[in-house]
Amino acid sequence: QVQLQESGPGLVKPSETLSLTCTVSGGSIINYYWSWIRQSPGKGLEWIGHIFYSGSTHYNPSLKSRVTMSVDTSKNHFSLKLSSVMAADSAVYYCARLGLTGDSDSFDIWGQGTMVSVSS
Amino acid sequence: SYELTQPPSVSVSPGQTASITCSGDKLGDKYTSWYQQKPGQSPVLVIYHDSQRPSGIPESFSGSNSGSTATLTISGTQAMDEADYYCQAWDSSTVVFGGGTKLTVL
Repeated sequence: QVQLQESGPGLVKPSETLSLTCTVSGGSIINYYWSWIRQSPGKGLEWIGHIFYSGSTHYNPSLKSRVTMSVDTSKNHFSLKLSSVMAADSAVYYCARLGLTGDSDSFDIWGQGTMVSVSS
Repeated sequence: SYELTQPPSVSVSPGQTASITCSGDKLGDKYTSWYQQKPGQSPVLVIYHDSQRPSGIPESFSGSNSGSTATLTISGTQAMDEADYYCQAWDSSTVVFGGGTKLTVL
């Protein structure tokens, strides 16, 4: 079955760039949309954005100026970069599979999540 | 921006039916999904397209969506159903999550 695994630094300094990768195993990244979602401690879920395997992206308007997503089909993984981070960006970051059509799809497979703290 | 509103908490006795609501402007015109999240775990999709259950989700979970309110219903609630539940919808190609509801099985 398809599994997702996030990887990246657990600690990032303020004003620097957070970089995470999500590796897809047990299935192909082709044909699907893939997403990043975060959850601040004790808070709800926040959609960051999604990327199609072809590379087309759609970002949360509130984060758009700082977010970049990319995909590498040869490595079966996709990535997130969030620039100019601040303490409020400290959260568990999840990658998730969105589906085949993007709009109106659901997040049917989630990674285990990775905690990223922003601190000097 | 579009908002989805959920009650912060819902309590239910074991074996009874729990209903969790999610409200948004003309939500009935959109597809709603529901996710269950237990402490320390990743969310799990329990309902998609308003009322569809993914494989492996018990029949005790059902959903509906009409007007401005979507509802997740859990029949015969068990202790293992105690969790946070989030609704999710799309608005103008943007994903929106509700604030979450903590379901307590007393």
